[in-house]
Amino acid sequence: QQQVKQSPQSLIVQKGGISIINCAYENTAFDYFPWYQQFPGKGPALLIAIRPDVSEKKEGRFTISFNKSAKQFSLHIMDSQPGDSATYFCAASMEASGSRLTFGEGTQLTVNP
Amino acid sequence: ETGVTQSPTHLIKTRGQQVTLRCSSQSGHNTVSWYQQALGQGPQFIFQYYREEENGRGNFPPRFSGLQFPNYSSELNVNALELDDSALYLCASSLVHGNYGYTFGSGTRLTVV
Repeated sequence: QQQVKQSPQSLIVQKGGISIINCAYENTAFDYFPWYQQFPGKGPALLIAIRPDVSEKKEGRFTISFNKSAKQFSLHIMDSQPGDSATYFCAASMEASGSRLTFGEGTQLTVNP
Repeated sequence: ETGVTQSPTHLIKTRGQQVTLRCSSQSGHNTVSWYQQALGQGPQFIFQYYREEENGRGNFPPRFSGLQFPNYSSELNVNALELDDSALYLCASSLVHGNYGYTFGSGTRLTVV
């Protein structure tokens, strides 16, 4: 059962450009929406997260935009760098389920120099 | 402060065999979750352990079982291995049950032949 849908599957951006990855969720009980970054051979690492009581959160070059009514959220990477090349996963969780994470399918980002 | 450590890093097993994967949680973390990540997919929640008891389970058959020890380390056991069990198995620990601050290990790559 796919509860979090992520797009695009892959993304190629030029250095300095903006990378945008989108996610949509179904379960309105979700109350925590993190983004994870995963490099080959490594486990996912938390990048940035948002709760549904705010519409935007920014940390450095990374911004989450959240639209509660549309049940969508997105990750924006400003001034994308080759070192940002990785797989990005959106996820959703709710405290009632013990904080288990439901992940999207992932987006493979390539930033060309 | 050490992170989450998983062993072994790679493993090859034959269909029908049994396997045990191990996880040492981050210092002070008392909650451990296990995820299965098939190639090109997002991680899927298997189960979570808190205070040595299973506390939440995903859509996995009973041949997937686990343990958490008094020092909060954990094991994932899979019996009667199937080819589809080939995946990266990730362990994640957190400081407080219900807290969203998960730290993932680098995973164990299991190949079933």
